[in-house]
Amino acid sequence: QVQLVESGGGLVKPGGSLRLSCAASGFTFSDYYMSWIRQAPGKGLEWVSYISSSGSTIYYADSVKGRFTISRDNAKNSLYLQMNSLRAEDTAVYYCARPGEWGMATIYFDYWGQGTLVTVSS
Amino acid sequence: QSVLTQPPSASGTPGQRVTISCSGSSSNIGSNYVYWYQQLPGTAPKLLIYRNNQRPSGVPDRFSGSKSGTSASLAISGLRSEDEADYYCAAWDDSLSGGVFGGGTKLTVL
Repeated sequence: QVQLVESGGGLVKPGGSLRLSCAASGFTFSDYYMSWIRQAPGKGLEWVSYISSSGSTIYYADSVKGRFTISRDNAKNSLYLQMNSLRAEDTAVYYCARPGEWGMATIYFDYWGQGTLVTVSS
Repeated sequence: QSVLTQPPSASGTPGQRVTISCSGSSSNIGSNYVYWYQQLPGTAPKLLIYRNNQRPSGVPDRFSGSKSGTSASLAISGLRSEDEADYYCAAWDDSLSGGVFGGGTKLTVL
């Protein structure tokens, strides 16, 4: 069965860095674009970033462009999000998600991880 | 401020039919599929409706989706207490080359 397990969240000071990981299993990871989506406490969902199957196509929301870097290791079935210059407004639960269609970018996600909480505070 | 507009709240009594609206523009809902997600308290979002009106296996037929022009709706019939959750619409946005979510609607079962 498909599983997505995020890790790496925690408490970090403003201006600090954090690297999130998402371990995928139960499907051919290298076939799928993968995404990070976040949810600030008590707020709605925000698509943060996606990366194509090969890593050649990447998208970032304007709110994180220039500060966050998405990457993947298909040999390890893993997705990453390097977050630098963190701000209080980056405080959120970060989910990795697998699309319901392989080989394309889409807002159609049929599997989500349980999420990892990132708290940016001094 | 979300690109897709949803009412912040909705409510109904058990057995009632409730609809949640989602308004967008020609660059998102008007030219792409709409998706709906259900988020129960303290859990990750779950896909409820895909491609405007398709239900994934396991989603009861009490849930239905529709789209017209630049708006979409989620209807829940035979409302149950376990339907109390946040509901989000989503669509691809051609002008952003990315996906956008609605702000979410909190459904309360009275």
